[in-house]
Amino acid sequence: QVQLVQSGAEVKKPGASVKLSCQASGFTFFTYGVHWVRQAPGQGLEWMGRFIPGSGGAGDGTTKYSPKFQGRFTITRDTSATTAYMELNGLRSEDTAVYYCARGRIWFGDLYYFDSWGQGTLLTVSS
Amino acid sequence: DVQMTQSPSSLSASVGDTVTITCRASQDIRNYLSWFQHIPGKVPRSLMYAATSLQTGVSPRFTGGGSGRDFTLTIANLQPEDFATYYCQQFATYPLTFGPGTKVD
Repeated sequence: QVQLVQSGAEVKKPGASVKLSCQASGFTFFTYGVHWVRQAPGQGLEWMGRFIPGSGGAGDGTTKYSPKFQGRFTITRDTSATTAYMELNGLRSEDTAVYYCARGRIWFGDLYYFDSWGQGTLLTVSS
Repeated sequence: DVQMTQSPSSLSASVGDTVTITCRASQDIRNYLSWFQHIPGKVPRSLMYAATSLQTGVSPRFTGGGSGRDFTLTIANLQPEDFATYYCQQFATYPLTFGPGTKVD
């Protein structure tokens, strides 16, 4: 059964960094991509970035980030490809949101659509 | 960036109704459009991809249509579990973008 299980809630101070995880069950990130999306309180869904697998093995893959987060946002994957991570640096209060990972399924080329979602992780940024 | 708009922003409906939500892209996105359902406090749910294809396990009461810039999501015979916010999303170009949502209550 396909499942994405995300790490628990975090509270961080402005300027800090946070690293959230997304553990895959029933598949690996060798054959599927992962997207990260967030939802701030009272707001809609916002795409942050994605990782898609390459063909070369455990360390291979490419990322693409929203320009809004470029430079302070990183997506990685562990060597077993069962867990994906997102790291966001230079946190500000506006980063308070629920962060979701979602499995990316290939459409064609580097276009991956969403199918399954993680349960979400609440990040609170407050002094 | 491709801008996505949705109408209406909210609608009131009753169990058994048929409702249609529209989504418009600021440029041609072919059929690279997905629909999602989100109930507050719950995990978002993928409903459709490629404008008209149902995700596995989704009821056939949901149908999608359109291509190019204009798309629709129709929910037939509305059920209590369908009261939610619905989002469209284009995956034709990066950054991927979502519509602002349509709340069905």
